[in-house]
Amino acid sequence: EVQLVQSGAEVKKPGESLRISCQASGYSFTSYWISWVRQMPGKGLEWMGRIDPSDSYTPYSPSFQGHVTISADKSISTAYLQWSSLKASDTAMYYCARLGYRYGQPFAMDVWGQGTTVTVSS
Amino acid sequence: QSALTQPPSASGSPGQSVTISCSGTSSDVGAYDYVSWYQQHPGKAPKLMIYEVSKRPSGVPDRFSGSKSGNTASLTVSGLQAEDEADYYCSSYAGSNEVFGTGTKVTVL
Repeated sequence: EVQLVQSGAEVKKPGESLRISCQASGYSFTSYWISWVRQMPGKGLEWMGRIDPSDSYTPYSPSFQGHVTISADKSISTAYLQWSSLKASDTAMYYCARLGYRYGQPFAMDVWGQGTTVTVSS
Repeated sequence: QSALTQPPSASGSPGQSVTISCSGTSSDVGAYDYVSWYQQHPGKAPKLMIYEVSKRPSGVPDRFSGSKSGNTASLTVSGLQAEDEADYYCSSYAGSNEVFGTGTKVTVL
């Protein structure tokens, strides 16, 4: 079964660092991109950026460039989203999603993780 | 990069059809045939319903269809059912980046 399993909910204080994970299984991790998507409470979906696990090329949305870092460890089929200094405004649900790009793959986010809730509060 | 524009809400009675628009620009929707639609029920992760403008993933009912004209894409849900009540988001490739729509809440009356 193809799936993305994300790490558990986090409660942090402003200024703290955090890394959340997204572990892939059931397919070749390096054959698809992984996107990260933010959903603030009661709001819509926002694309943050993506990574190509085969070469770690990582384009970011201008809205998130410099605020987060996306990385991947292909040896354990896991992608990461990290912050060096959290703010209260980072409180949100974060989803990872598989994004196809090769011939024969749907060019879309066809498999999603269950989401990781991040709460930042003093 | 601005979000694609969707109507905040749409509604229809069971069995009727509803169409949701997704307005972009010549740099995203108008430039690529890589428009997707996602359904999200409360408290759940989004689910892919349409990809590459009009293709349906396996398991998605053929009541869901997509199209595009110029800088505007559309999702039509025919034969509305109670379980179609959800939020719907469009998304488009925009040259290295992706951009989502503002979201539409579909209510089944």
